[in-house]
Amino acid sequence: GEDVEQSLFLSVREGDSSVINCTYTDSSSTYLYWYKQEPGAGLQLLTYIFSNMDMKQDQRLTVLLNKKDKHLSLRIADTQTGDSAIYFCAESANTNAGKSTFGDGTTLTVKP
Amino acid sequence: ETGVTQTPRHLVMGMTNKKSLKCEQHLGHNAMYWYKQSAKKPLELMFVYSLEERVENNSVPSRFSPECPNSSHLFLHLHTLQPEDSALYLCASSQELGGHEQYFGPGTRLTVT
Repeated sequence: GEDVEQSLFLSVREGDSSVINCTYTDSSSTYLYWYKQEPGAGLQLLTYIFSNMDMKQDQRLTVLLNKKDKHLSLRIADTQTGDSAIYFCAESANTNAGKSTFGDGTTLTVKP
Repeated sequence: ETGVTQTPRHLVMGMTNKKSLKCEQHLGHNAMYWYKQSAKKPLELMFVYSLEERVENNSVPSRFSPECPNSSHLFLHLHTLQPEDSALYLCASSQELGGHEQYFGPGTRLTVT
């Protein structure tokens, strides 16, 4: 079945850039997402990219997609302590009847 | 605020209790989902509803019983749960099934004693 993998932890200093990586296996993935989960809260959609795009930028967030390698990354510029959270990568395909496959999440810790 | 609300936010129940989780979406979406998030485990999709019809049941034990009376509301009825069912239960909705971003509620933190 489909699989999405992420590294579990990332620690950066405030003001640095953070890069969270994700790999997926489903070649029919149409949409790729990044969600953020703060403690005690649900998942919040941060951004998404269609599989026919290479890059998407939204303020401090940059998503890069390498479709050939099935690799997705999320770069957060000028990381702030408020960015500390768990970041989930997810993918879905039009053929998959609403089923998104989520990674295990990367816990980002931002140190002052 | 994502437009998806869940109540209660926290629930403690004994193994013989019956309780219900409620989810409501104010986004006009047609698809709704229940997920289970346990510590150190990936998100588990439990149920998918589209236009009030269940389209997926991911081998969930019968002690979890979903109900979708209309496209804005989704319930998860709980009875005779086990301690290992303690988790964060997340509701989500999307415009349509398949390939659309999902909007999540804040979750219900369930503890089964």
